[in-house]
Amino acid sequence: DAGVIQSPRHEVTEMGQEVTLRCKPISGHDYLFWYRQTMMRGLELLIYFNNNVPIDDSGMPEDRFSAKMPNASFSTLKIQPSEPRDSAVYFCASSFRLSGRAHEQFFGPGTRLTVL
Amino acid sequence: GQQVMQIPQYQHVQEGEDFTTYCNSSTTLSNIQWYKQRPGGHPVFLIQLVKSGEVKKQKRLTFQFGEAKKNSSLHITATQTTDVGTYFCAGHAGGTSYGKLTFGQGTILTVHP
Repeated sequence: DAGVIQSPRHEVTEMGQEVTLRCKPISGHDYLFWYRQTMMRGLELLIYFNNNVPIDDSGMPEDRFSAKMPNASFSTLKIQPSEPRDSAVYFCASSFRLSGRAHEQFFGPGTRLTVL
Repeated sequence: GQQVMQIPQYQHVQEGEDFTTYCNSSTTLSNIQWYKQRPGGHPVFLIQLVKSGEVKKQKRLTFQFGEAKKNSSLHITATQTTDVGTYFCAGHAGGTSYGKLTFGQGTILTVHP
């Protein structure tokens, strides 16, 4: 298996532009998570899906952020309009529920976003 | 909401010295996971602890889960330069928040040869 795939790996954009980050989870995984990592705030959960349905989006900073999962093999995180404070590394992770316990999350390589 | 605190934030050791990072949750956890992130990399799962008082070992790494299931620790014996990175604990509350992990701030470990 190729693992969790994220694209692009690096994104540099100007303030006000729309940014779309993409994620392909591991095949067969039923949970998908979007995280943001910065030095100041650490690793923050933005939103997560179960079977393509958003379960908890309480970590989404504001209305400029939106996420979708149209099918089991693809998810997007969109920022519109982008601001310099959105600069961070964005990770996508997936996991598979087996029995009654949470299982390990497999992280993608991340997208390093820089908003100028 | 649930909070997971991790200390210390930074730890610098000489190669061969031991290292410990501690994790405390504001609420009782269903289970706790530990991840390692190498510089420039992504978090990678190390282990999961489920039972009260559980202790697990992976070579030089020893993981403990507290009796009250609110705290945990990771101890590395005789550190090596390959141990460099950030170690995160992540708590799972279970129940209606099934699947969701709350990560601690991480401990950045530097090992001097």
